[in-house]
Amino acid sequence: AQRVTQPEKLLSVFKGAPVELKCNYSYSGSPELFWYVQYSRQRLQLLLRHISRESIKGFTADLNKGETSFHLKKPFAQEEDSAMYYCALSGRGSQGNLIFGKGTKLSVKP
Amino acid sequence: GAGVSQSPSNKVTEKGKDVELRCDPISGHTALYWYRQSLGQGLEFLIYFQGNSAPDKSGLPSDRFSAERTGGSVSTLTIQRTQQEDSAVYLCASSPLHVSTANTIYFGEGSWLTVV
Repeated sequence: AQRVTQPEKLLSVFKGAPVELKCNYSYSGSPELFWYVQYSRQRLQLLLRHISRESIKGFTADLNKGETSFHLKKPFAQEEDSAMYYCALSGRGSQGNLIFGKGTKLSVKP
Repeated sequence: GAGVSQSPSNKVTEKGKDVELRCDPISGHTALYWYRQSLGQGLEFLIYFQGNSAPDKSGLPSDRFSAERTGGSVSTLTIQRTQQEDSAVYLCASSPLHVSTANTIYFGEGSWLTVV
């Protein structure tokens, strides 16, 4: 069964500190992993996808198949990074259903 | 329109009443998703439509929930005999094809449902 686990409901860090939002997944095939973000009073939107190996707003995420993890990292957190972050999984070759974790609220304090 | 449009944006209903929530996806998008967002539960998948294929209804929590997509465009999520635990934000999203490396899922602003 497909499952995405985000163990932290809330993560609070100070500005300039490193941040890591954890995501673990369960999937029997080859998954595609994503991070979505929802800023206050805004729509949920794509932050980054694993296949692109991109860095968006200073965030990166590496897919570790051995540990079945896709943790989101940023070396120096900014106050504007405060938001709700959701890890999501889609199975390759599936009908495209996207399964989300329960989300982690990141709070960056000044 | 420029994005996924949902209506109503807010709905307060009495327990036991039926409600309908509407979603207008981005023009040309073949895939449409419904999710439920509530405190402590994150984003819960409800149903997924892709073109003319049979919808994936595996996430619907009970038979009080149903959804239709007419003409491959507009979708309506219906909740019959609403209960207080149905109170949540119902999010609709669409994408040009199924989620892949090339495509992105775009969300609406959601319909806030409160059952009193």
